[in-house]
Amino acid sequence: QITLKESGPALVKPTQTLTLTCSFSGFSLSTSGVGVGWIRQPPGKALEWLAVIYWDDDKNYSPSLKSRLTITKDTSKNQVVLTMTNMDPVDTATYYCAHLNDYYDNSRFDYWGQGTLVTVSS
Amino acid sequence: QSALTQPASVSGSPGQSITISCTGTSSDVGGYNYVSWYQHHPGKAPKLMIYEVSDRPSGVSNRFSGSKSGNTASLTISGLQAEDEADYYCSSYTSSNTGVFGTGTKVTVL
Repeated sequence: QITLKESGPALVKPTQTLTLTCSFSGFSLSTSGVGVGWIRQPPGKALEWLAVIYWDDDKNYSPSLKSRLTITKDTSKNQVVLTMTNMDPVDTATYYCAHLNDYYDNSRFDYWGQGTLVTVSS
Repeated sequence: QSALTQPASVSGSPGQSITISCTGTSSDVGGYNYVSWYQHHPGKAPKLMIYEVSDRPSGVSNRFSGSKSGNTASLTISGLQAEDEADYYCSSYTSSNTGVFGTGTKVTVL
């Protein structure tokens, strides 16, 4: 059974760096073809694709946020970490991590965490 | 990367069929058969309903079907049920080797 859970601060100040951790079970990020991605949803708005990391440490980032995002993995801990620099109130959103089981299709997230709400405010 | 375009809302009566469109470009929807659809009930995790344009994951009702023509993908829900009321999002692989979601569609069961 695959499960994922996001953790991190509920509140960050503008200009600070956000660090989110995705802890997962039921699969290994050392298995060929497997990936983990991050998606966010601002209140009342649409889902937004942020980044993915694959078993071979290949990474892809949203072009509009690439300069602010870093995604890393710790295979031994079954964790993926997303950092986002220079946070702004417009980054207020629920952040989800999700499992990707097809290296060639980064739109196919078949298991999701419950999400964590991050509010950016001074 | 611009979001894929979906209608803001679609409604139907129980038992009817509805179709949600998802319009992109030749750099995403039109260029690849990697289009997925998600059902999202507020406060819950999104659920994958369709992948690779028209394939259903195990456990998803066959009332849900997907198709694509040119730069537009579509999700059809047949035999509409009250439990289908939710937000629906399309997603596609892009030529930048990233993904992109649609603007979202609120489905209302009348």
